[in-house]
Amino acid sequence: DTAVSQTPKYLVTQMGNDKSIKCEQNLGHDTMYWYKQDSKKFLKIMFSYNNKELIINETVPNRFSPKSPDKAHLNLHINSLELGDSAVYFCASSQGRRTGLRGSPLHFGNGTRLTVT
Amino acid sequence: QKEVEQNSGPLSVPEGAIASLNCTYSDRGSQSFFWYRQYSGKSPELIMSIYSNGDKEDGRFTAQLNKASQYVSLLIRDSQPSDSATYLCAVNEENTGGFKTIFGAGTRLFVKA
Repeated sequence: DTAVSQTPKYLVTQMGNDKSIKCEQNLGHDTMYWYKQDSKKFLKIMFSYNNKELIINETVPNRFSPKSPDKAHLNLHINSLELGDSAVYFCASSQGRRTGLRGSPLHFGNGTRLTVT
Repeated sequence: QKEVEQNSGPLSVPEGAIASLNCTYSDRGSQSFFWYRQYSGKSPELIMSIYSNGDKEDGRFTAQLNKASQYVSLLIRDSQPSDSATYLCAVNEENTGGFKTIFGAGTRLFVKA
């Protein structure tokens, strides 16, 4: 059973299109994230939701809009896609957004490779 | 945003040797530190977490933390070709809404058979 699953695995689209990536976790975690990994393999946080509440919103173009219908799901919608959006997008989850002074590790989905042509 | 720095490598070691991976971080308030392994084309997977100064051992892996020096390391003993991957150092940074995990750029490790 896949703990964090995201779809699609590959997404090839043209500039200007709108696309969505879906993510679901069955770990019972209450915090979910979107990370972007660029061509240099640098992994950078985009958004974080805790129990459907947006708690982290990095400096991301407003063409990117996350939506969390419940704590097990976090989707990412991207409007007006640009060449620079090409990357691998990882969904992740963790137990608790704050556990004392300790942080829970992240559990990643398999990633969505987005190619914008 | 605070930073996490790693030597990008590649680091090449012979099979059976000890691989030593290093990481420094800038946020003195960080309390949680992680090492993730990422094979090419795959997602990162957790290898070790460490929260207190000193060493933490798990099988062939040992994580070392020195908060005064803001330094985290990962030692891999008896390196195997299957250990060839990118190793990501990650640090939790406190945020008004909770915490977020900041990643270094990763160190590519090659273990030669």
